[in-house]
Amino acid sequence: DTAVSQTPKYLVTQMGNDKSIKCEQNLGHDTMYWYKQDSKKFLKIMFSYNNKELIINETVPNRFSPKSPDKAHLNLHINSLELGDSAVYFCASSQATRGGREQYFGPGTRLTVT
Amino acid sequence: QKEVEQDPGPLSVPEGAIVSLNCTYSNSAFQYFMWYRQYSRKGPELLMYTYSSGNKEDGRFTAQVDKSSKYISLFIRDSQPSDSATYLCAFSPGYSSASKIIFGSGTRLSIRP
Repeated sequence: DTAVSQTPKYLVTQMGNDKSIKCEQNLGHDTMYWYKQDSKKFLKIMFSYNNKELIINETVPNRFSPKSPDKAHLNLHINSLELGDSAVYFCASSQATRGGREQYFGPGTRLTVT
Repeated sequence: QKEVEQDPGPLSVPEGAIVSLNCTYSNSAFQYFMWYRQYSRKGPELLMYTYSSGNKEDGRFTAQVDKSSKYISLFIRDSQPSDSATYLCAFSPGYSSASKIIFGSGTRLSIRP
């Protein structure tokens, strides 16, 4: 009965490849997020969707494209992977009225680009 | 000046000690002040949040906010080895999901048995 789940947990790939990370939440939340945590542990918001609508779109390369098929799922597709994309990517979810303070995070996907 | 500053540690204390973790911030628009805990190889989890200056207590944890100094602290009493984790301070200008949470870089804490 995992609340926020991500697949895969680990992803090792070569530069130039395209990869996807999937996220699902069973908390009944209406908002989902993608965060990137770099090697120095900085956790930065990338995107946020509320009821399948994009509400936060930070300055990230357009090689990153989120997709929300429904409010329980948020996927992240990355084209033409670069070495600098290596990081841990976290999915999170919240209720829209609490998202500014109370977010529930998945276990993370550790992406290594070689 | 960075929007949020947090000492990365590591901080190592003996079991039972009182731990003090601190962050400073520069953005006056921040209204919500949070502490998240992140165990190794796991996602962050919310420990506490507050939206006013003063203290808020939850069991062994006390969050303190001083808006005039733009300074927040988390105190852990009677620290346990299970408290060993990275603690992230976090800030938000509002309560809704359209408000971006800004995280500190985290302080790595180790409690020695």
